[in-house]
Amino acid sequence: GAGVSQSPRYKVAKRGQDVALRCDPISGHVSLFWYQQALGQGPEFLTYFQNEAQLDKSGLPSDRFFAERPEGSVSTLKIQRTQKEDSAVYLCASSLGQGDQPQHFGDGTRLSIL
Amino acid sequence: GENVEQHPSTLSVQEGDSAVIKCTYSDSASNYFPWYKQELGKRPQLIIDIRSNVGEKKDQRIAVTLNKTAKHFSLHITETQPEDSAVYFCAASRGYSGGYNKLIFGAGTRLAVHP
Repeated sequence: GAGVSQSPRYKVAKRGQDVALRCDPISGHVSLFWYQQALGQGPEFLTYFQNEAQLDKSGLPSDRFFAERPEGSVSTLKIQRTQKEDSAVYLCASSLGQGDQPQHFGDGTRLSIL
Repeated sequence: GENVEQHPSTLSVQEGDSAVIKCTYSDSASNYFPWYKQELGKRPQLIIDIRSNVGEKKDQRIAVTLNKTAKHFSLHITETQPEDSAVYFCAASRGYSGGYNKLIFGAGTRLAVHP
């Protein structure tokens, strides 16, 4: 596709439910990042994939957060037993190669936990 | 870890005036500094970036300057237009083993350009 695609755009879940957020990066992009953006704040790094390898998960807030990219393309961010503080916009970004390549963002998934 | 401070948090200018947003960073190993524009409910869009081997970069009405010694960088928008109204984020990053850069963002500046 022409850009990074994320689905769903909006997700409402009850506290305690599990959610899965999908990211389709730009075709051929090696690097994939997940960020969390709280209301009125800048994005915060969650995790990084280089192809299918998860090289950095230092930003994941707790062990309830899990991400995968099994075939080196589409990625899924899963949150188990959601809490109210998980409410945020979850952004995915991809870049062509490694290093300081420009990161291109998707529109994000706005997650609301009731 | 890296920390990025961004000022001001809000900026209001008249159409045609210039706007300047400033950021400071803490990690002297940072080597890549992008700026993103985010309109309400939309994705952050890269508008300009600069690497540590240059001090200034310009693209039409937008310019970025970098002072590595002082660890600060700035975004300059000239001849502002109402469509420049948005939230602007600066970010800093450095290379990690494994060959990647992760972005550390400032808190954002809400720019309003009044006709």
